[in-house]
Amino acid sequence: KQEVTQIPAALSVPEGENLVLNCSFTDSAIYNLQWFRQDPGKGLTSLLLIQSSQREQTSGRLNASLDKSSGRSTLYIAASQPGDSATYLCAVRPNNNDMRFGAGTRLTVKP
Amino acid sequence: GAGVSQTPSNKVTEKGKYVELRCDPISGHTALYWYRQSLGQGPEFLIYFQGTGAADDSGLPNDRFFAVRPEGSVSTLKIQRTERGDSAVYLCASSSQGSQDTQYFGPGTRLTVL
Repeated sequence: KQEVTQIPAALSVPEGENLVLNCSFTDSAIYNLQWFRQDPGKGLTSLLLIQSSQREQTSGRLNASLDKSSGRSTLYIAASQPGDSATYLCAVRPNNNDMRFGAGTRLTVKP
Repeated sequence: GAGVSQTPSNKVTEKGKYVELRCDPISGHTALYWYRQSLGQGPEFLIYFQGTGAADDSGLPNDRFFAVRPEGSVSTLKIQRTERGDSAVYLCASSSQGSQDTQYFGPGTRLTVL
């Protein structure tokens, strides 16, 4: 069964820092991997989707990498801002149907 | 509409009662997913629809849970004989086709079973 782990569970950084969030998964047979952002009491917002054949995706200050063979993905956030404070969730798609989520990393960016 | 909508946003019910949770996906999206999220955890897959049919219901925890999508658009998640352990946020997502597409999530329904 696919297990997804996110480290750290929580992270607090001062504004302006670059940071890396980590995601690991146990089964490398995946269709894609997706990073989401979740604000308190809200649904999930998709940030980046990496297909299994891709190595990375970039959107603005965000860069996500995927290493299928080692079962790892990282989300890099450059020049963090207080508005980046949220929970970041990593999800892998092991088949056509469902997604397996990690428990998330709760990020706080202090002004 | 512009995004996925879910109603109600909050539902409080008593143990043993029946509840229905509604999801309106993005217009034209054929794939629809239900997830359940407990406090401090990531969402957990429940069921996936492709069109009107449930393509994968392997995540439904037991036979008290059932979902329908009769016209291939709106979906209803139904929970019978609710238990306190059913308390969670129920999230709905849709995508335009299937596995290669981004899933767009609704705001969720927070269900509290007293």
